[in-house]
Formats: sequence, structure tokens, C-alpha cells
Amino acid sequence: RKEVEQDPGPFNVPEGATVAFNCTYSNSASQSFFWYRQDCRKEPKLLMSVYSSGNEDGRFTAQLNRASQYISLLIRDSKLSDSATYLCALHGSSNTGKLIFGQGTTLQVKP
Amino acid sequence: NAGVMQNPRHLVRRRGQEARLRCSPMKGHSHVYWYRQLPEEGLKFMVYLQKENIIDESGMPKERFSAEFPKEGPSILRIQQVVRGDSAAYFCASSPDKGRLEQYFGPGTRLTVT
Repeated sequence: RKEVEQDPGPFNVPEGATVAFNCTYSNSASQSFFWYRQDCRKEPKLLMSVYSSGNEDGRFTAQLNRASQYISLLIRDSKLSDSATYLCALHGSSNTGKLIFGQGTTLQVKP
Repeated sequence: NAGVMQNPRHLVRRRGQEARLRCSPMKGHSHVYWYRQLPEEGLKFMVYLQKENIIDESGMPKERFSAEFPKEGPSILRIQQVVRGDSAAYFCASSPDKGRLEQYFGPGTRLTVT
């Protein structure tokens, strides 16, 4: 089983829609979770950290469910500019600094 | 505050040549990480360095690859005797001092081996 798994999609949604992605992880001792956004052939950009209490930043909400070992990202009122690949990432239990990434979920927002 | 800088942005090497990729972390950051993204694949960790120290190199191939982060100057990822399978995007990331965990990525170097 992969350490971090994401549904690759693509998720095709109309503008204004609400869309949610999940990311499951296998190591229950994992610490520190993040969502990154990556546009085609560009570097990953940190979208938000995921805290145990959840985290909201404008139209974006991230949640952590330790019992079921997944994190989620909710995007409300989708914009065309939200089209990208969304990567979840986490630090392993030893917290050596190494980030483990999922394969990414591709989102296409259509007019 | 300038972001993470990498150069060159694109590098073409013939099989057997050496590739040197450079990374300057964000100002005030002393933790540097290298990741590789093969075509159509996810980001894979390679190595984590602090000034003059390799902290974790568990993702580095055993041969031909090396990394350093000297006291002065950028971090260098060196690939000797490149092969076609080394063609990929190599991203560098940095994080602040004092254990902050978020990593910020540079624009990457796209290595093409012909």
C-alpha cells in the first residue's frame, strides 16, 4: 500500500461548484500535513497546512481525520483559476524533514 | 523577500556528462531539500541538508548522485555520468530555522539527457 494515496481524477466541475478531495495515508504516526497546488510544469506552491482542528482560508477548507487516516480539501465557489493539480503531503513519524507526496488530484474548472 | 532560487532552469546533457544543479534558499532559511519529479509521476524526496551537513539522504540513488550545502554559497545537487532515466524536474525547497515545517519550493531545474 502506498504511503499517501490520492484519486488522480480529473475532477471536472463548473465554475461556482463546490469540490472536495481526499488523501489517505498509511502511517498512523504521521505528523504535519499540507496541501500544495501545482500548475502544469511549475513548482508546487503551498496552499495550506492542515491542523487537527481544521483550517480555513477563504474558499479553501482543510480537515484532518486521524481516526480514518485521511485529510481533505474543500474548495467552495470554484474559479477557472483553481484548475491545477492538488498534492497532499505529510511528514513521516520521525519528522526528519522529508515530505511524502501523493500523486496529486487534477481539477479542471469549466466555464 | 526573494523566494527559493534555482539555476539553471533548463539543462541539457548528453549521456555520460555531469549535471550540476544549484539552489539558493529563501533568505533566513537554512534547511534545504531536494525532490525529483519524473514525467507523469509524483514528487519524490531525495535529500535534506543544513549548512555543511547532510541530515537525511535516504532518497538519493546510491551511485552517481551527491549533494552539498556549503557554509557559503548555494546548495548543489550533482549527477555524474547522467543517463536518460535521470531526465526529470528537480525541485529544491527550503524551510525556516527553528523547526518550522512548511517547505517552499523553487521553480525547478528541468534536466534533459539526450
